[in-house]
Amino acid sequence: NAGVTQTPKFRILKIGQSMTLQCTQDMNHNYMYWYRQDPGMGLKLIYYSVGAGITDKGEVPNGYNVSRSTTEDFPLRLELAAPSQTSVYFCASKIGSGNADNAQYFGPGTRLTVT
Amino acid sequence: AQKVTQAQTEISVVEKEDVTLDCVYETRDTTYYLFWYKQPPSGELVFLIRRNSFDEQNEISGRYSWNFQKSTSSFNFTITASQVVDSAVYFCALRVWGRDDKIIFGKGTRLHILP
Repeated sequence: NAGVTQTPKFRILKIGQSMTLQCTQDMNHNYMYWYRQDPGMGLKLIYYSVGAGITDKGEVPNGYNVSRSTTEDFPLRLELAAPSQTSVYFCASKIGSGNADNAQYFGPGTRLTVT
Repeated sequence: AQKVTQAQTEISVVEKEDVTLDCVYETRDTTYYLFWYKQPPSGELVFLIRRNSFDEQNEISGRYSWNFQKSTSSFNFTITASQVVDSAVYFCALRVWGRDDKIIFGKGTRLHILP
């Protein structure tokens, strides 16, 4: 298993541009999450999904959109990039609720700079 | 309120010393899970341990040990005989019981192991 993969690893955007951060997992996990990590800070939840076709907002959803058309993929869309969105973005997945293995497994992250 | 506090922002110790990273949590749930993650300089997040609220036994894994005390709402992490490779940011996290199974992260403790 490759686990959770994210592309790209690095990206520089200009203000107002849009882009999609890709996240794929091959562990057949139902739950998927997007976090952002600002310098020197912990992780903040942007959006999450408990299964294909279902998405919900997290703590900091403004400026982002997601979709979950398949179990494997959970892309994060930035429509009008702003400097405040400069951050490292992590995608994570876990098998599901009520399971003994409750850990979230993280991708390697995408470092995004908006200038 | 659900909250994780890691009061130590940054710690430096000399190699081979023991070091303890503190984690205090708040939750109204009676069933919950606690986690520790490691983020080395390369940036990825590595799952270290999960502990559920019904199991207060301490755990040891090699040089790592965890002390879970419900009475003080703490889940501290000790590295024995620290090594330079232990240098990383360590995050404590709390899984709240709910539909989203989301994890609340502390702000992390940056650990420097000096040679």
